[in-house]
Order: sequence, then structure tokens, then C-alpha cells
Amino acid sequence: EVHLVESGGGLVQPGGSLRLSCAASGFTFSDHYIEWVRQAPGKGLEWVGRTKNKFSDYTTEYAASVRDRFTISRDVSQNSAYLEMHSLTTDDTAVYYCTRNYYGTLDSWGQGALVTVSS
Amino acid sequence: EIVLTQSPGTLSLSPGERATLSCRASQSVSNNNFAWFQQKPGQAPRLLIYGASSRATGIPDRFSGTGSETDFTLTISRLEPEDFAVYYCHQSVSPPLTFGGGTKVEI
Repeated sequence: EVHLVESGGGLVQPGGSLRLSCAASGFTFSDHYIEWVRQAPGKGLEWVGRTKNKFSDYTTEYAASVRDRFTISRDVSQNSAYLEMHSLTTDDTAVYYCTRNYYGTLDSWGQGALVTVSS
Repeated sequence: EIVLTQSPGTLSLSPGERATLSCRASQSVSNNNFAWFQQKPGQAPRLLIYGASSRATGIPDRFSGTGSETDFTLTISRLEPEDFAVYYCHQSVSPPLTFGGGTKVEI
């Protein structure tokens, strides 16, 4: 069974940094893209970025709103993906989900990690 | 960027009724890259329909997806109490991946 678990969320001050982890199990981690999607309180879903699979050299892509501030990576030996966030603002307050992209479909999601940016 | 516009924003119905949700894309989307999700309060989104019309594992057959190119529809044939939730359409053609604004199906 595919399983994704986010961790590392919490309260951070504006301008601060935080790193989220996504632990994956139940599938061949290197074969699939991992996407990060966020949801601000009471709002809809927003794509944050992705790390591609081994066939694409694990390259990354980002939404314009986070490019140059967020970095996505993965450690295949740990079956984990990471979302490193810098220069956080209150607009980054959201639940952050990691999801598996199964041939174009976001078929499995973690439970989410809440990031609150506040002074 | 492909913009997805969902309508209506809210659908007020009763159990047993039929729900029809629409999603319009600002440019053509391949069926292979179109999906519908259901989200309940405090929960992660759950994949309902992928490839525009294929039900995900464990999804009951009262849920069906149709459409192509720029116009897609999710139909719930007879609403069950557990179907009252927010529904999002989604395209994964190319970055940025985008989602519709959601349709809330309420009693």
C-alpha cells in the first residue's frame, strides 16, 4: 500500500525558514514524481513544485510564487522528499501535502503538515 | 498557465438527488491529465476520477466523469450523506499544475 507521511511543520516567524519531510513507502520511490501541494486556511489547492523521477534526473520545477525561496529535493536511500522553505511570509501559511504523481495522476496524498507563519 | 473554472461554487442538494459539477479549462487539456478530487474537512484530497472518466480504486459507481478538451463534468448520480464535501478538478498537463476553485456540495 502506498503511504506518504509529512513531518516538520510548525510555527515560524516571518522571514524564517522551515524544512518539511515526506516519507514514502509501498512503491518504488525513484520511479515517480513527487509533487508538493499546499492549501491556505479556508482556501483551495495550490501546486508548489515537484521533484521528477530518476528517468528525468530528479530535476525540480516550482510555482512562480515560491521559486527562488523554496527548494525541493529527495534522498532515494531514505525514500524521502524534502521541501525547504526560506523567507517565509504570512501568505505561506498553509497545510502542505506531498503526493505521488502516478503517470500524470496525483493518486496518493499524505495527511499534510501545517505551517504557520506568524510573529 | 491553464486556468480551471468550476461551477457552481456551491451546490445545495438533498441525499438521493443528482449532482452535476462542471469544470472549464482555459485551454485544451488531455484527458490523461485531468482528474477530480473530493476533500472533506480536516482531510487530504482523495482521488475520485482520473483520465477524465476512470474511477479510482474503491470509488463507488455513483461517481462518473465525462468531458474532453476544455469542458469536463463530474456527476454523482444519487447523493449519499458521505458525499457532502468539496470537489476539485485538476490538470497535470504541464507546470504549473493547477486546480479549480472547488465546488462545495452541501445539504
